[in-house]
Amino acid sequence: SQQGEEDPQALSIQEGENATMNCSYKTSINNLQWYRQNSGRGLVHLILIRSNEREKHSGRLRVTLDTSKKSSSLLITASRAADTASYFCATEGYQKVTFGTGTKLQVIP
Amino acid sequence: DVKVTQSSRYLVKRTGEKVFLECVQDMDHENMFWYRQDPGLGLRLIYFSYDVKMKEKGDIPEGYSVSREKKERFSLILESASTNQTSMYLCASSFAGVSAPNQPQHFGDGTRLSIL
Repeated sequence: SQQGEEDPQALSIQEGENATMNCSYKTSINNLQWYRQNSGRGLVHLILIRSNEREKHSGRLRVTLDTSKKSSSLLITASRAADTASYFCATEGYQKVTFGTGTKLQVIP
Repeated sequence: DVKVTQSSRYLVKRTGEKVFLECVQDMDHENMFWYRQDPGLGLRLIYFSYDVKMKEKGDIPEGYSVSREKKERFSLILESASTNQTSMYLCASSFAGVSAPNQPQHFGDGTRLSIL
């Protein structure tokens, strides 16, 4: 079964709004990563948060991790049309990275 | 920048054919991976390799094999293609040094394979 499950499956917002995606997982992890996939392309790594970290920022991205609840969230602030893509969380345990099913984000200009 | 190159973006083959998907990375990464991506199922790991001539089964290895004769190249082989192997196939690589844990994976643009 999939380790990471994203929520919601799809999200549609207006340009300039914030987008929040959530990821839940089942077992203990070393780190959690977020990736982005544009239509028809490969995945691109966005940000990695280690299991001993609670929050991390990178530009307009903010990631939180709550290991007690086994959940993470990705916040994209001031969204742009170019942020339209699918976003995946990936959890890394012992020698293995497991990807979730993704959130499809549409940002309407 | 790391570049992971997959030999074909689109491929059409017939049932029963032996199919080879090639992947090359240019960053001297130890780890290489093959995934398939299907709607609603996300990415599922088929095989991975952490060194030349080494391979490990992922979550869905049945019907596939792999080859890693050189560090930069990782091949996925469909021994006898079937229609349920129609999918998007993604190759990835990552650094595996013990001095630098928690390394991200770098992906190619994928091969969309159709088995008729």
